[in-house]
Amino acid sequence: GDSVTQMEGPVTLSEEAFLTINCTYTATGYPSLFWYVQYPGEGLQLLLKATKADDKGSNKGFEATYRKETTSFHLEKGSVQVSDSAVYFCALTPGGYNKLIFGAGTRLAVHP
Amino acid sequence: GAGVSQTPSNKVTEKGKYVELRCDPISGHTALYWYRQSLGQGPEFLIYFQGTGAADDSGLPNDRFFAVRPEGSVSTLKIQRTERGDSAVYLCASSHPAGGPPSYNEQFFGPGTRLTVL
Repeated sequence: GDSVTQMEGPVTLSEEAFLTINCTYTATGYPSLFWYVQYPGEGLQLLLKATKADDKGSNKGFEATYRKETTSFHLEKGSVQVSDSAVYFCALTPGGYNKLIFGAGTRLAVHP
Repeated sequence: GAGVSQTPSNKVTEKGKYVELRCDPISGHTALYWYRQSLGQGPEFLIYFQGTGAADDSGLPNDRFFAVRPEGSVSTLKIQRTERGDSAVYLCASSHPAGGPPSYNEQFFGPGTRLTVL
């Protein structure tokens, strides 16, 4: 079945460091891809999305590109801040379906 | 405006008891979803409503789990004969169909109900 695999955390970085969180997926058809973020004490929020191959989603300095050839949707940010500390979830909706399928999440801790 | 709300925020029950978890979606959202998130894992899909009907209940783990949405707004997730393995955070999300292929309707999540089965 459809699934999402993302790198295990925690990821610990110093402020202003470059961030990459890897995400790969398995899906039939043409899924849409997402990154959700869960800040401490808060609910899940959509960070960015891409609905077709080669689309780039971006928000708050984060970017991810839908790569169909490598079935990947890696999350990147050029310069992280302490306020980016959170758990990040990669997810997909299978083509023609509305349900989200999530990865296990990656915890990011950014230190001053 | 108001987001998705869920009550109670925490529920502790004993093994074998019956529980109900409530979700109030964003006003006007016709689609409603339930997910379950176990500790250290990503949310796992349970059921999806479009209006009053369950359009996809393929994620319900067994017949102890049931959900309703009788008026197309508030939804209740019901768990019978609870087991310790049911302990998790139960998340509700809602969305408003935008239509048009490829269609995606952003799902807005509530804060969740933390269920603990002793």
